[in-house]
Amino acid sequence: ETGVTQTPRHLVMGMTNKKSLKCEQHLGHNAMYWYKQSAKKPLELMFVYNFKEQTENNSVPSRFSPECPNSSHLFLHLHTLQPEDSALYLCASSQDLRGAFFGQGTRLTVV
Amino acid sequence: GENVEQHPSTLSVQEGDSAVIKCTYSDSASNYFPWYKQELGKRPQLIIDIRSNVGEKKDQRIAVTLNKTAKHFSLHITETQPEDSAVYFCAANPPGGGSNYKLTFGKGTLLTVNP
Repeated sequence: ETGVTQTPRHLVMGMTNKKSLKCEQHLGHNAMYWYKQSAKKPLELMFVYNFKEQTENNSVPSRFSPECPNSSHLFLHLHTLQPEDSALYLCASSQDLRGAFFGQGTRLTVV
Repeated sequence: GENVEQHPSTLSVQEGDSAVIKCTYSDSASNYFPWYKQELGKRPQLIIDIRSNVGEKKDQRIAVTLNKTAKHFSLHITETQPEDSAVYFCAANPPGGGSNYKLTFGKGTLLTVNP
């Protein structure tokens, strides 16, 4: 499916592991976002990038490290996570203020 | 920061009936209010949005109303169908983000349309 693509779709990792989530958008948008979706909680904005520059870090712990090498790709590097970090991680992109489009998400389980 | 409250958390209607989901927001300067639909195991998808200079917007069976004075906005779905069953999220975007969104989401409403 085109638009916003996330890999992997599912990830199980131990608390001492290091892994990365990848997001790619094919919409020509200039902004990309990472959101966290936990059970029974609202979608939480984590990071915002505009033209590769991080413009927002919503008080996210340093064990989450974003990277945006260009306006089409966004990564979320994970290390020494906790079980409570288990959630659905959603990437989104937008062009100015014309609606944010979400990827299908990565279901992360920390064991 | 912005705070968005969404009600009800669950809503069950009969096919053909109308469904209304309500949200309130705290930051009177918020200027953009999208609604997202998320089916089980799928991504949130933008279904309709409204900006602060408009009071109502309609797209076929879906409409959104905004009351800036009261700081609340609502989603109205008429002639509901089983495929409308999903979780619906409202969101508000406070100013100051430039050309980016800083969307604050409600907790979601699980809508079930019974055939």
